[in-house]
Amino acid sequence: NAGVTQTPKFQVLKTGQSMTLQCAQDMNHNSMYWYRQDPGMGLRLIYYSASEGTTDKGEVPNGYNVSRLNKREFSLRLESAAPSQTSVYFCASSEAPGQALGGYTFGSGTRLTVV
Amino acid sequence: GQSLEQPSEVTAVEGAIVQINCTYQTSGFYGLSWYQQHDGGAPTFLSYNALDGLEETGRFSSFLSRSDSYGYLLLQELQMKDSASYFCASWPGAGSYQLTFGKGTKLSVIP
Repeated sequence: NAGVTQTPKFQVLKTGQSMTLQCAQDMNHNSMYWYRQDPGMGLRLIYYSASEGTTDKGEVPNGYNVSRLNKREFSLRLESAAPSQTSVYFCASSEAPGQALGGYTFGSGTRLTVV
Repeated sequence: GQSLEQPSEVTAVEGAIVQINCTYQTSGFYGLSWYQQHDGGAPTFLSYNALDGLEETGRFSSFLSRSDSYGYLLLQELQMKDSASYFCASWPGAGSYQLTFGKGTKLSVIP
């Protein structure tokens, strides 16, 4: 099925460890996004990539880095995990910025716990 | 910046109609979207309003009033499967990739 695929689905890290969350979309979308979701906080934008070769900071970028590997793939890296990064991470993609042409398509999420 | 306010919880009876409100304060505004998220699932796009008025998609309708900085999602003929969280999201407009979400409204449908 067409859509956004995220890996892994679950992860437990120790404080200070690093890891990369992977995201791939097969809808030929130009733009991709990383959001985190915390209880009672809604979805907050970490980083986005407007198009292949570009990345920009969102609302909460500290402690994260991203790579737009190609048009399909957009990864999120935690260099030194902290308990405050315990969250559910969602990758999304869209054909156009904002909400045009059908909105964002989200992956199923990565549930990350940092102990 | 952008700020969106929604009620945190709403409860409604199966078969009834429920309205979920969203008020926004933004430095720029182009349109309002709604997303549904079931527990443990991913958000899914429901609707988008760029112009004032009502947009209808099956049992779901969404309304926007720019003059009141207000919108709502209307769910008719509620079903148990409609129990989920609903998020409004605003977009500042062309050139921006910053889609901002409200904190969500948890809808519980009871028999």
